[in-house]
Amino acid sequence: KAGVTQTPRYLIKTRGQQVTLSCSPISGHRSVSWYQQTPGQGLQFLFEYFSETQRNKGNFPGRFSGRQFSNSRSEMNVSTLELGDSALYLCACQQGPPPMNTEAFFGQGTRLTVV
Amino acid sequence: KQEVTQIPAALSVPEGENLVLNCSFTDSAIYNLQWFRQDPGKGLTSLLLIQSSQREQTSGRLNASLDKSSGRSTLYIAASQPGDSATYLCAVGSSGGSNYKLTFGKGTLLTVNP
Repeated sequence: KAGVTQTPRYLIKTRGQQVTLSCSPISGHRSVSWYQQTPGQGLQFLFEYFSETQRNKGNFPGRFSGRQFSNSRSEMNVSTLELGDSALYLCACQQGPPPMNTEAFFGQGTRLTVV
Repeated sequence: KQEVTQIPAALSVPEGENLVLNCSFTDSAIYNLQWFRQDPGKGLTSLLLIQSSQREQTSGRLNASLDKSSGRSTLYIAASQPGDSATYLCAVGSSGGSNYKLTFGKGTLLTVNP
């Protein structure tokens, strides 16, 4: 079966710009979560969506936002980019809704570099 | 607030050795625990999922155990191979006063030498 697809794989943006990342979950998986991974902080939870509703949000500024569509695809947006936003952004899907005991599957990530 | 710690941070072993990776968590009120591997620059690959009611799970050469009361999990890798070289991440699924999310440890970087 098809895995979790994240696009684009790589992005280079300038400080102050905004960026939109996309995640297509495995068919039938309706919960999508986003994580930021940096060498210093490791993997940090951004937010989780189920049935187009944001159910949980991590400790990130309001510049980080997301949404989920009726087909379960999700996008996250980062506005007014800062150098510190450079990271690997990973999305994960579960059949859900959490905390149903389901396995999380991750995409390959989007590597964002802010210059 | 759930905190997850993984020890050791890095481990180098010769091929064929059996090894144990450790994961500890501070809040025992968890729903599940999942082990992942991550190759450099790649996403996470799920290895094993242990439900809170389970004590262990096995897949091939991998065996993961869970002791919820003591806040510990171990990942046992038998007969290690160079292809096992990767970062291994432990993630705990819990609520902690809000909705469910996965909290990750910083990982163990495993190098298996031929």
